Amino acid sequence: AQSVTQLGSHVSVSEGALVLLRCNYSSSVPPYLFWYVQYPNQGLQLLLKYTSAATLVKGINGFEAEFKKSETSFHLTKPSAHMSDAAEYFCAVSDTGGFKTIFGAGTRLFVKA
Amino acid sequence: DTAVSQTPKYLVTQMGNDKSIKCEQNLGHDTMYWYKQDSKKFLKIMFSYNNKELIINETVPNRFSPKSPDKAHLNLHINSLELGDSAVYFCASSQVEGATDTQYFGPGTRLTVL
Repeated sequence: AQSVTQLGSHVSVSEGALVLLRCNYSSSVPPYLFWYVQYPNQGLQLLLKYTSAATLVKGINGFEAEFKKSETSFHLTKPSAHMSDAAEYFCAVSDTGGFKTIFGAGTRLFVKA
Repeated sequence: DTAVSQTPKYLVTQMGNDKSIKCEQNLGHDTMYWYKQDSKKFLKIMFSYNNKELIINETVPNRFSPKSPDKAHLNLHINSLELGDSAVYFCASSQVEGATDTQYFGPGTRLTVL
């Protein structure tokens, strides 16, 4: 069975600092991996996704994530945080043969001025 | 134009009542989903439909009944509402069958059962 674990339910960074949100996955088949962002009182929207084409994936708003098979990780990074990045971030996994996307528990990102 | 829309945005009701949430997507997608997000932000799939056909029913109580009159709509009817049904319900859609494609989410319906 597939699963995804997000380390840290809350992460706090200063504006301009590096953002690092951690995600580890478990999958018996090559996974598809996603990062979604949820702003307050809104639905989720896709930041980026890994579909085996390239291990370093660039997304919207300056975010990127690197797929590391040996570490079963797909951590999300951004070099410099903005106040507007404050939101809930979800890592998710699915497989090519299935119909389900499994979401992690989410990480709330706080950005301090 | 809103890609995935849900109505109502807020729903407050008494235990035991029956209520419906409507979802429409104008993206031309074949697959639609219902998710439940609890108070701790945990997001769990409830149902998935592809071309009006039920694909996933994720051990949801049979008080919850999805209905897809056409590819663009997936409504959720809930009978005999319970306190534990209080949550935010999200509709989503994706282009292709299966879970490998980007999902587009609606704004959510916050259901409060008193």
